[in-house]
Amino acid sequence: NAGVTQTPKFQVLKTGQSMTLQCAQDMNHNSMYWYRQDPGMGLRLIYYSASEGTTDKGEVPNGYNVSRLNKREFSLRLESAAPSQTSVYFCASSEAGHRGNQPQHFGDGTRLSIL
Amino acid sequence: RKEVEQDPGPFNVPEGATVAFNCTYSNSASQSFFWYRQDCRKEPKLLMSVYSSGNEDGRFTAQLNRASQYISLLIRDSKLSDSATYLCVVNPGGGYSGGGADGLTFGKGTHLIIQP
Repeated sequence: NAGVTQTPKFQVLKTGQSMTLQCAQDMNHNSMYWYRQDPGMGLRLIYYSASEGTTDKGEVPNGYNVSRLNKREFSLRLESAAPSQTSVYFCASSEAGHRGNQPQHFGDGTRLSIL
Repeated sequence: RKEVEQDPGPFNVPEGATVAFNCTYSNSASQSFFWYRQDCRKEPKLLMSVYSSGNEDGRFTAQLNRASQYISLLIRDSKLSDSATYLCVVNPGGGYSGGGADGLTFGKGTHLIIQP
């Protein structure tokens, strides 16, 4: 089973460039999430989507936009990349709808470097 | 005060030993608790949920103390393959900005090294 699939796995950008990180899940989950993980900071929530058609800000949304394209896909866009956005990005999904008592399943991450 | 706090370690433990981690959380309204495992440069993976009555999964035992707001993870008969970073994860409840599904709040992790 594929679970949560992220593309690309690695990317190097120049400051000011834009790009979209793709995420798809095949578990029929309602909720999807984007996190970033930085050394010494742990995982921080960027945006989440409780269900198809809805998106909400998490802890660190500035500089990002998201689109919940359909139930399976949730993309993260950097409109004008900055060096501070160099990080490892994880997408996750969960059944949710139960106030968070369902665990989240993660993709294997996108390693993004902004020069 | 940080929402979820863990001792970062590293914990260096001989193979076969028992090791325990604690994690404290600040929001008394937190509803759900998990332990995740993360290997170097990999994604976090669910190790186990933590239930109020305590729960066990093979060599792993998780306990929750709501009164003191801490969660523990006990690993018995540790294996070399247990070497990883263990993340304490809490659902703070109430959602972000009043929204529906909740992003989880992650501790920074405890690094465990099992030595042969």
